[in-house]
Amino acid sequence: GQQVQQSPASLVLQEGENAELQCNFSTSLNSMQWFYQRPEGSLVSLFYNPSGTKQSGRLTSTTVIKERRSSLHISSSQITDSGTYLCAMEQGTQVVGQLTFGSGTRLQVYA
Amino acid sequence: EAAVTQSPRNKVAVTGGKVTLSCNQTNNHNNMYWYRQDTGHGLRLIHYSYGAGSTEKGDIPDGYKASRPSQENFSLILELATPSQTSVYFCASGVWGTGDNQAPLFGEGTRLSVL
Repeated sequence: GQQVQQSPASLVLQEGENAELQCNFSTSLNSMQWFYQRPEGSLVSLFYNPSGTKQSGRLTSTTVIKERRSSLHISSSQITDSGTYLCAMEQGTQVVGQLTFGSGTRLQVYA
Repeated sequence: EAAVTQSPRNKVAVTGGKVTLSCNQTNNHNNMYWYRQDTGHGLRLIHYSYGAGSTEKGDIPDGYKASRPSQENFSLILELATPSQTSVYFCASGVWGTGDNQAPLFGEGTRLSVL
């Protein structure tokens, strides 16, 4: 079965609302990473977060290894946050950078 | 500025034809990767490389070959393209070690249609 499951699959928010994106993984891992995929397709790294909480502006990532989950919180969403958010895990037995991705959460923010 | 450049950006190929996707990185990274992205599957690893001259199979290597002639260049080769290989392909480069520089850098993607 799929090793990385993301939820929700899609999310629609009004500008200013908060969002909580979840990622659950079924195997042990070295790290969890979050990426943002722009509507035109390019990928941007948001967080490399093996454990604990990291914050960057309005984005906060929390990874709890023993619970096999990671979350991405977006506060005060903006229209420019629209796109797809992907989590990816690096497993303990894999080469650094060899990532297993979730299917993504498609976020749409409207005015 | 660190960069990963893919070419072509768009490609239409015929079934049974040969397709080569090219990737160039100016980051001096040892590791390079090829992923494909399909609706409902996220990104899946096809091949990767530790350095010039090395290629390794990823999770879905069937129907693909890879070539790493130099540190900077990594190609993905479809010897006999099939419609099931219609997808968006991403190249990435990365480094060993730990820390915030671990995240690989991705190219802009190549949209391939096999008719």
